[in-house]
Amino acid sequence: NAGVMQNPRHLVRRRGQEARLRCSPMKGHSHVYWYRQLPEEGLKFMVYLQKENIIDESGMPKERFSAEFPKEGPSILRIQQVVRGDSAAYFCASSPTGGGAHEQYFGPGTRLTVT
Amino acid sequence: GESVGLHLPTLSVQEGDNSIINCAYSNSASDYFIWYKQESGKGPQFIIDIRSNMDKRQGQRVTVLLNKTVKHLSLQIAATQPGDSAVYFCAENHTPDNYGQNFVFGPGTRLSVLP
Repeated sequence: NAGVMQNPRHLVRRRGQEARLRCSPMKGHSHVYWYRQLPEEGLKFMVYLQKENIIDESGMPKERFSAEFPKEGPSILRIQQVVRGDSAAYFCASSPTGGGAHEQYFGPGTRLTVT
Repeated sequence: GESVGLHLPTLSVQEGDNSIINCAYSNSASDYFIWYKQESGKGPQFIIDIRSNMDKRQGQRVTVLLNKTVKHLSLQIAATQPGDSAVYFCAENHTPDNYGQNFVFGPGTRLSVLP
């Protein structure tokens, strides 16, 4: 049973470009969460999605960031017009239910570098 | 504001010795805590959790101690092995059923196991 998969593992974008990060949850998991980890800082929750629904996006910046989890295919975190401050590791987690953080399995992350 | 931090940013221990990683939190209302392990290039991995109605919980080779009086949390790893080398960080929240949106994550302590 494959774990949570994220791609790409490393992404380099110039300022102003768009970044698209993909997350495939574990088999049987229908709940997906995105977190951001800035250098030397802890994780910060961004958004919680179920298939075709955004449940909680309270941690998402108001502009330029969006997320989706379509009926088919991976969850996508999109960052438009990236800026240097967006450079971070973005982790996706999935869980079989929305019951609690202890049920979440994390992917290896996508490290975004904005030049 | 609320914060979760760590006393030591790095910790080096001899293989076979016990490791103790500390975490201080400032929100006295927090009642649920998780320890995570993050190996280089990988996502966080849940290790153990504890609720505030307990002061000690044991897992396989790991023990978490909670001192609510001084708002202090520690992770003890018995007979430390090379595979334990990683960054360890704690997270705190108000309820164990919370999926992560209000978790406060510490920045982490890097544990290095010396041969």
